[in-house]
Amino acid sequence: GQQVMQIPQYQHVQEGEDFTTYCNSSTTLSNIQWYKQRPGGHPVFLIQLVKSGEVKKQKRLTFQFGEAKKNSSLHITATQTTDVGTYFCAGSNDYKLSFGAGTTVTVRA
Amino acid sequence: EAQVTQNPRYLITVTGKKLTVTCSQNMNHEYMSWYRQDPGLGLRQIYYSMNVEVTDKGDVPEGYKVSRKEKRNFPLILESPSPNQTSLYFCASSFTGVYGYTFGSGTRLTVV
Repeated sequence: GQQVMQIPQYQHVQEGEDFTTYCNSSTTLSNIQWYKQRPGGHPVFLIQLVKSGEVKKQKRLTFQFGEAKKNSSLHITATQTTDVGTYFCAGSNDYKLSFGAGTTVTVRA
Repeated sequence: EAQVTQNPRYLITVTGKKLTVTCSQNMNHEYMSWYRQDPGLGLRQIYYSMNVEVTDKGDVPEGYKVSRKEKRNFPLILESPSPNQTSLYFCASSFTGVYGYTFGSGTRLTVV
């Protein structure tokens, strides 16, 4: 079945620095979604990418969907303490949404 | 307020004692799904439903049952819980199943 791999599993970032988390699928996806889960909370939908090569921005967050629609990335600039949490990518095909294992982000002030 | 409501939030039970975790959404969403979250494994889909009376297995359906008799409700049933079903469970809904999901607050289940 469809597998979504996400790296790194952990990201320790100095406040103010940038970082990127990557997502790769074993199959071509119809779309990819990104979610954020704060510690002790539930996943919250951030964004969906549908088109090959699509790039979307939300303030300091930049999301990309690969040309082959099998990979994606989330880049955060000038990390803040509010960015703490786990970021999940989720690949969609045939009404099934498969999640990666997530990247857990901690921030050093 | 648009939301997905799960109950209970916490549950400790014994092996073999049947239990039901309820899930209800007030957004008139067609699509609902159950996930379990375990450390290092992310969220794994248990069952999903594309509409009333239409359900299908996800990636880890063994030991679980679901039903979708009404659009708003999608209960998760564990007929004979075992310790390996100790996990954090999330219910989620989506208007079409293709766009972003709204998640409930989660149910932390411990089976002893």
